[in-house]
Amino acid sequence: DSGVTQTPKHLITATGQRVTLRCSPRSGDLSVYWYQQSLDQGLQFLIQYYNGEERAKGNILERFSAQQFPDLHSELNLSSLELGDSALYFCASSDDSPEAFFGQGTRLTVV
Amino acid sequence: AQSVTQLDSQVPVFEEAPVELRCNYSSSVSVYLFWYVQYPNQGLQLLLKYLSGSTLVKGINGFEAEFNKSQTSFHLRKPSVHISDTAEYFCAARSNDYKLSFGAGTTVTVRA
Repeated sequence: DSGVTQTPKHLITATGQRVTLRCSPRSGDLSVYWYQQSLDQGLQFLIQYYNGEERAKGNILERFSAQQFPDLHSELNLSSLELGDSALYFCASSDDSPEAFFGQGTRLTVV
Repeated sequence: AQSVTQLDSQVPVFEEAPVELRCNYSSSVSVYLFWYVQYPNQGLQLLLKYLSGSTLVKGINGFEAEFNKSQTSFHLRKPSVHISDTAEYFCAARSNDYKLSFGAGTTVTVRA
């Protein structure tokens, strides 16, 4: 158990809908990262937050947004969902060290 | 951001045989290197990491990796694999831009 908690584990929704994925980092970790894992694109870095502020941005679509709250948990919001957004979404957290610890992921299926 | 190349997409191996998974990264400037393992329907687990110091890094489950700056490589090895090592393995690299970049993954299938 990495100490990073993601909810829900599975999510099935229809095209055009909006969903929110939640991540609770390891105790004491200030950084939260979001990744998307799909069969065709592999593991893609989406965005990183550090102590509530956006620190780095990757291949995140404009329909996607994230935030980190004062209690350090983070949410990834996906809107206007398309079939191609079906993927496994991972959250990871870290302290000041370069290594990141990953949650179990949320499997999103868009139908 | 770093670019990471895993040279083998699939590696079949017999139980108790050695295995090597190859990984190359794009730049040797201030790089941190990692190997993660993903078992079926699970998240990513950190196997080992290179941050600085000794170029031979030992990790969990008997795995080790060698950092080679001149060849920009970070190959993963295990001298004797078990059936339970069947999984997907990801090499990852990070520079000072905080972005952790992953390779495409190598699927290791261990056969009895």
